[in-house]
Amino acid sequence: GAVVSQHPSWVICKSGTSVKIECRSLDFQATTMFWYRQFPKQSLMLMATSNEGSKATYEQGVEKDKFLINHASLTLSTLTVTSAHPEDSSFYICSASERGPTNEQYFGPGTRLTVT
Amino acid sequence: AQSVTQPDIHITVSEGASLELRCNYSYGATPYLFWYVQSPGQGLQLLLKYFSGDTLVQGIKGFEAEFKRSQSSFNLRKPSVHWSDAAEYFCAVGPSGYSTLTFGKGTMLLVSP
Repeated sequence: GAVVSQHPSWVICKSGTSVKIECRSLDFQATTMFWYRQFPKQSLMLMATSNEGSKATYEQGVEKDKFLINHASLTLSTLTVTSAHPEDSSFYICSASERGPTNEQYFGPGTRLTVT
Repeated sequence: AQSVTQPDIHITVSEGASLELRCNYSYGATPYLFWYVQSPGQGLQLLLKYFSGDTLVQGIKGFEAEFKRSQSSFNLRKPSVHWSDAAEYFCAVGPSGYSTLTFGKGTMLLVSP
């Protein structure tokens, strides 16, 4: 089956620094990737949708200058949290789909970000 | 706007007993409905989906779900729960295929021996 990986699986960073999270589709070409944020005991909230080679589409209320998303290739998307603050601490999950957004989303294992 | 309600935050079921997790949705058109399972610290795995056709949908790991339009529900069922089923379950709705999914808050399933 389709596999999506995320790296790192967990990261701790200091307030004010930036951190990059990678999302890779290992055995398929992901034309669309999604980034979600999940707070403890909460549901997944879609942050943005990105199509390969295009700018990401951010959901309402998500700061595009703070959460930089790059989908430079068909197998890699990155989420960079800039000038991180403790309130950015969360579980970030990516998903990927091939041949457009109406196909199945395959989810990565998630990245736990802790900002101190 | 579409929304999903999972009224039970957590449920405890004895191993071998039957299970039903509730999901109600709000959506203006014909919904695309999904159930996902998430183990601790893990991503989501698709259990089953409903797009159209037969309202009783079979999924992986022995799960099934029934779409009831009149009740705006898509409840997940399993006849006999195994300890390995303990996890968090999310119901989701989307306007078309898998794009722009809206998730419920999840139901944590605990399985007692």
